[in-house]
Amino acid sequence: QSALTQPASVSGSPGQSITISCTGTSSDVGVYNSVSWYQQHPGKAPKLMIYDVTNRPSGVSNRFSGSKSGNTASLTISGLQAEDEAHYYCSSYTSSNTRVFGGGTKLTVL
Amino acid sequence: QITLKESGPTLVKPTQTLTLTCTFSGFSLSTNGEGVGWIRQPPGKALEWLALIYWDDNKRYSPSLKSRLTITKDTSKNQVVLTLTNMDPGDTATYYCAHRPRNAYNHFDYWGQGTLVVVSS
Repeated sequence: QSALTQPASVSGSPGQSITISCTGTSSDVGVYNSVSWYQQHPGKAPKLMIYDVTNRPSGVSNRFSGSKSGNTASLTISGLQAEDEAHYYCSSYTSSNTRVFGGGTKLTVL
Repeated sequence: QITLKESGPTLVKPTQTLTLTCTFSGFSLSTNGEGVGWIRQPPGKALEWLALIYWDDNKRYSPSLKSRLTITKDTSKNQVVLTLTNMDPGDTATYYCAHRPRNAYNHFDYWGQGTLVVVSS
């Protein structure tokens, strides 16, 4: 299985909204509503931000939202804040009952 | 409160077998629906999903590493063990274990702090 495709980097100014895409195939993202998103700050473990495409765990800001269309899932962060600067990874369940991560996206808050 | 912690060698030689232990608390792997997974991250690179073990002892492995990976659990000790054979410098990475919530298809809600393993002679 190949890694899901994410843009290497995105940027935005404080207060703006950004969207990170995650493109898979009809064997993973396209067929299962089991996409999750993780935030990772340098030197830290990943933190779950979104699961099952659109669900936010308790304690995660409602500025984070997820969606999916066809083989592409998206993470949107609204009202960008300096603390949002981090790497973001998507992940999907696959038709072979395994999981796959994306290549990661570095978010820079200008 | 769920916690997980990885332990094992920090340095292994090429061709050796890596054995990592994940010790957890706050849940039981004998409870229907629970699972523990392993994920690794080479320095400066992306996360890579490795393996997952379920409460019923079902196991899933990364297709690209399946021949080298073994995941087992010791329910009485609240531990999950991952072995990776024939280590190579390309296996240098931080290795994480993580909790898969009951009946979740694809997410890990709690992660260990990770342990860096360097492969070098």
